[in-house]
Amino acid sequence: GAGVSQSPSNKVTEKGKDVELRCDPISGHTALYWYRQSLGQGLEFLIYFQGNSAPDKSGLPSDRFSAERTGGSVSTLTIQRTQQEDSAVYLCASSLYNLPNEKLFFGSGTQLSVL
Amino acid sequence: AQSVSQHNHHVILSEAASLELGCNYSYGGTVNLFWYVQYPGQHLQLLLKYFSGDPLVKGIKGFEAEFIKSKFSFNLRKPSVQWSDTAEYFCAVNLGTNTGKLIFGQGTTLQVKP
Repeated sequence: GAGVSQSPSNKVTEKGKDVELRCDPISGHTALYWYRQSLGQGLEFLIYFQGNSAPDKSGLPSDRFSAERTGGSVSTLTIQRTQQEDSAVYLCASSLYNLPNEKLFFGSGTQLSVL
Repeated sequence: AQSVSQHNHHVILSEAASLELGCNYSYGGTVNLFWYVQYPGQHLQLLLKYFSGDPLVKGIKGFEAEFIKSKFSFNLRKPSVQWSDTAEYFCAVNLGTNTGKLIFGQGTTLQVKP
């Protein structure tokens, strides 16, 4: 597609429910990154994929968080048993390769609200 | 711990004023440095980056940033801001990895009054 697409744009859920957030990167981009932005905070790294592999999952806050990427394209971030502190904007970005000087292309994010 | 700090959280300027936003990082090795900007209602986008060479880099819309290795800093500057520069600005650092993973600062909200 023309840009990084994320869905849904907004998600309201009840505490304890599971949610899935989707990211569709730019076609041909091999690297995909998930970040989280909480109110008043910067972007917090969660995980990145190179192809379908996730070499760095160090930012996932707990074992309730997981992510996968299939076909080297779409990625899904799953949060199980959501908590109120999970409320944030979840941003996805992609880049053509996974090089240290590369530009990241960001999606518009998913605003997650846990009631 | 490795981190990126932006000291100004909210800056208010009048049009034509000069801008300098601070960014410091804590890491002693090789770094690649970025500034990203998010205009109201838009995606985060790259403003400029430093990879190697001249430590003074120029980006879009008249912005520039200077990498001062001895100060672990990468401050963003613009001589004369416009109302359209109202946005949130994020400093980001690639801390010596061979990947595209970035560590971001907390962000600075810039409000330019017409």
